[in-house]
Amino acid sequence: QAVVTQEPSLTVSPGGTVTLTCGSSAGAVTSAHYVYWFQQKPGQAPRTLIYDTTKKHSWTPARFSASLLGGKSALTLSGAQPEDEADYYCSLSYSGAYVLGAGTKVTVL
Amino acid sequence: QVQLQQWGAGLLKPSETLSLTCAVDGGSFSGHYWHWFRQSPGKGLEWIGEVTLSGGTNYNPTLKNRVTISLDTSKNQFSLKVNSVTAADTAVYYCAGRYYFDLWGRGTLVTVSS
Repeated sequence: QAVVTQEPSLTVSPGGTVTLTCGSSAGAVTSAHYVYWFQQKPGQAPRTLIYDTTKKHSWTPARFSASLLGGKSALTLSGAQPEDEADYYCSLSYSGAYVLGAGTKVTVL
Repeated sequence: QVQLQQWGAGLLKPSETLSLTCAVDGGSFSGHYWHWFRQSPGKGLEWIGEVTLSGGTNYNPTLKNRVTISLDTSKNQFSLKVNSVTAADTAVYYCAGRYYFDLWGRGTLVTVSS
């Protein structure tokens, strides 16, 4: 089973920009992996921010965007807010089986 | 507002069977894929598996031998069973699905302890 890699932690200043990445031990991440990004705050269920690599749900703040960059999926937060402090998980699909990364803890400080 | 309501036993002994159910409350059940995830204490999310409306399933290879996901379309429900549980199966279990995981259950803590 492939391993999905994420940064363990990142810190961003309020109003600043941070990019989280999601890589695969099996090679480059592409749109065929149907990338998802989930946000989870302490004590809460996850919620889905990004699906199908770059698409947003109606509740996804405009300051979040996703792309493919350098063989990885990238989630960019531009204009970080205190409420964006959370764990972020990416998910890649491998022939219908989903593998999640270990998550990135984002601190807004 | 459409919600996923989940329930099931929260305390099990080793070797018992974990059984959880998730119901779609207030919306359509049809035409979607339905999933289960889990999160061990202090750890990350893990995908367990999915069931389609035709009853087809996909499972995490690491759990495949012990997991069954099924659906009951007459009740708008889908279920998870994990056989022969151990302490390593202690986790919060989440159901999720519909349009690109737009719905998540609130989670059910399942503890396995003798």
